[in-house]
Amino acid sequence: QKEVEQNSGPLSVPEGAIASLNCTYSDRGSQSFFWYRQYSGKSPELIMFIYSNGDKEDGRFTAQLNKASQYVSLLIRDSQPSDSATYLCAVNEITGGGNKLTFGTGTQLKVEL
Amino acid sequence: ETGVTQSPTHLIKTRGQQVTLRCSSQSGHNTVSWYQQALGQGPQFIFQYYREEENGRGNFPPRFSGLQFPNYSSELNVNALELDDSALYLCASSLDPGGGYGYTFGSGTRLTVV
Repeated sequence: QKEVEQNSGPLSVPEGAIASLNCTYSDRGSQSFFWYRQYSGKSPELIMFIYSNGDKEDGRFTAQLNKASQYVSLLIRDSQPSDSATYLCAVNEITGGGNKLTFGTGTQLKVEL
Repeated sequence: ETGVTQSPTHLIKTRGQQVTLRCSSQSGHNTVSWYQQALGQGPQFIFQYYREEENGRGNFPPRFSGLQFPNYSSELNVNALELDDSALYLCASSLDPGGGYGYTFGSGTRLTVV
């Protein structure tokens, strides 16, 4: 069973701080990785995807990938109360004729005033 | 550009009944995947449809079935409902079966089985 592991949290950070969310995966053959944000009662919303080792930045968000360590992270700079949500790490894996996302259980982030 | 739309938003069914959930994919997307999300868990892959055929399936029993139509919209059917089927059902569309540019999720259907 291929797995994606995340710390369920909650992770509490003060407003304006950097939030660091981490994820490990078991399938060494995985090629693409996604971070989704999910507000309570809502559906997942894509934040970023990353394919290559290293960092990828988009506004206040930076995704980091280390395939050798099978590790993906998401940094949120200048955290805002509106960033409070559950962050889902997902790995895109081959299944049948296409691909599927395997999700972690999510990390709950709380940004405090 | 329209997003992914799902209907209905909420549904209450009795154990043993059958249910059909519907999804319209995002404009330009030809692939639809269905996920089940139980409370406090990440979404679990049910199956994917591409060119009107099932293109991959997760660890779900045959009473979970689907269809895709020529306009790329899709249905999820669940027969003989069980209490454990209570969950948020999410439809996700993508540009192609590989999903390399990501999957766009609909707002979901909250199914409660009593």
